[in-house]
Amino acid sequence: AQRVTQPEKLLSVFKGAPVELKCNYSYSGSPELFWYVQYSRQRLQLLLRHISRESIKGFTADLNKGETSFHLKKPFAQEEDSAMYYCALSGTGGSYIPTFGRGTSLIVHP
Amino acid sequence: EPEVTQTPSHQVTQMGQEVILRCVPISNHLYFYWYRQILGQKVEFLVSFYNNEISEKSEIFDDQFSVERPDGSNFTLKIRSTKLEDSAMYFCASRDERGSTEAFFGQGTRLTVV
Repeated sequence: AQRVTQPEKLLSVFKGAPVELKCNYSYSGSPELFWYVQYSRQRLQLLLRHISRESIKGFTADLNKGETSFHLKKPFAQEEDSAMYYCALSGTGGSYIPTFGRGTSLIVHP
Repeated sequence: EPEVTQTPSHQVTQMGQEVILRCVPISNHLYFYWYRQILGQKVEFLVSFYNNEISEKSEIFDDQFSVERPDGSNFTLKIRSTKLEDSAMYFCASRDERGSTEAFFGQGTRLTVV
């Protein structure tokens, strides 16, 4: 079974502070990991995925297979980063159904 | 940029009534999904649909739920006899078959059962 755990329901920081949103996963094969973001009153949208190894809006995430983690990081948070962040996992063995964590609400204070 | 669209954005219904939530996936996508999110909880998978049939479903997707693609563009979720606990945000998503595992989501339909 595949499972995604986001231990923090809420993360509150001040502008300019570093941010790390934690994500741990459980999957028996080689998963594909994603971070989705949902800004207030908007749809879920893909922020980044581990296979592309890119930085989007200053966010990065590295897949650590040893620790089964895919934490999302940004060195200097901005107010516009305030949103819900969902870590998601897709199996690569067939159906690719994304499984989501419960989400972490990031609030960046001015 | 093409988007998944869902209608209505908000639906209020009485307990026991049938509701149909509508989705128009991105036109060249072949995999379709419904998810729901009860207020304050995580996004939960309901069902996936491919080649005009259900490919997978979760234990949440019981006999009260059904999906269909009536006309080749719309993808609908029907709840036959709504219960209070069906109140949630329902998200439709679609995916391109060609190797991409990225799912594109609609803006959601908020269903309120009273």
